[in-house]
Amino acid sequence: NAGVTQTPKFQVLKTGQSMTLQCAQDMNHNSMYWYRQDPGMGLRLIYYSASEGTTDKGEVPNGYNVSRLNKREFSLRLESAAPSQTSVYFCASSGSTGVTGYTFGSGTRLTVV
Amino acid sequence: GENVEQHPSTLSVQEGDSAVIKCTYSDSASNYFPWYKQELGKRPQLIIDIRSNVGEKKDQRIAVTLNKTAKHFSLHITETQPEDSAVYFCAASRNSGYALNFGKGTSLLVTP
Repeated sequence: NAGVTQTPKFQVLKTGQSMTLQCAQDMNHNSMYWYRQDPGMGLRLIYYSASEGTTDKGEVPNGYNVSRLNKREFSLRLESAAPSQTSVYFCASSGSTGVTGYTFGSGTRLTVV
Repeated sequence: GENVEQHPSTLSVQEGDSAVIKCTYSDSASNYFPWYKQELGKRPQLIIDIRSNVGEKKDQRIAVTLNKTAKHFSLHITETQPEDSAVYFCAASRNSGYALNFGKGTSLLVTP
C-alpha cells in the first residue's frame, strides 16, 4: 500500500522549459490536490480536484495546469517554468474535500534556474 | 476565501514543558480543523483534527480546542519531547467541495 506517490523527487529546470509532475494514489480517494511550499509561506493550494472529471483553481494557479487523468492520477504541468516557481510541490489526496484529513506524497523539490 | 492565521511562527520550549499553538480563521462556514506535523525534509502528516460540533479533542499528549464564536482553535502539546520538534500547520475548510487552507506554520523546538 504505497499511499500517494509523486515523481520526480528532484528536478532542475531552465527558465522557459516545461515539465509535468506526476501524482498517483492507491487509496481509492475521490479528491486530490496540489500544493506548493515556500519558506515562511506555509502550504498554498495551486489546484484541486474534488472528484474525477472536475478541477478547480486554488490560491496560486497562475503558470500551472492540471489534469485529473482518472481517479488515481492527478498531474501538474508547468508550461514555461519561471524562477518564481522554485518550490517544493506536494500532492495530496483525501476521501472527500473538506471533511477528511489529507495523505500527502513525499514531495518534489523543483529548482528553476 | 478562507484566511488562516497561525501564531507564533517559532516556539522554543524545554523538554517536559507544554506548547500551545494558536490559529484563527475568517470563514464562519468553516467546520473542519486539522493539524499537521512536518519533520525536516518530510511530508506533512495529520496528527489530530476536530470538527465544529466538538469543542475539544484529545489524543494522548496532544489536544485541540475550538472556539467557533471567536473563530479560533489551538493545539496543545503536553510533556514535550525532543521528537516533537517539527513544523506544525493548522488548517481549516468548509464541507465537501472545498480544499484545506493552511496557516503559515509554527516551528517548534524542544530542547533537552
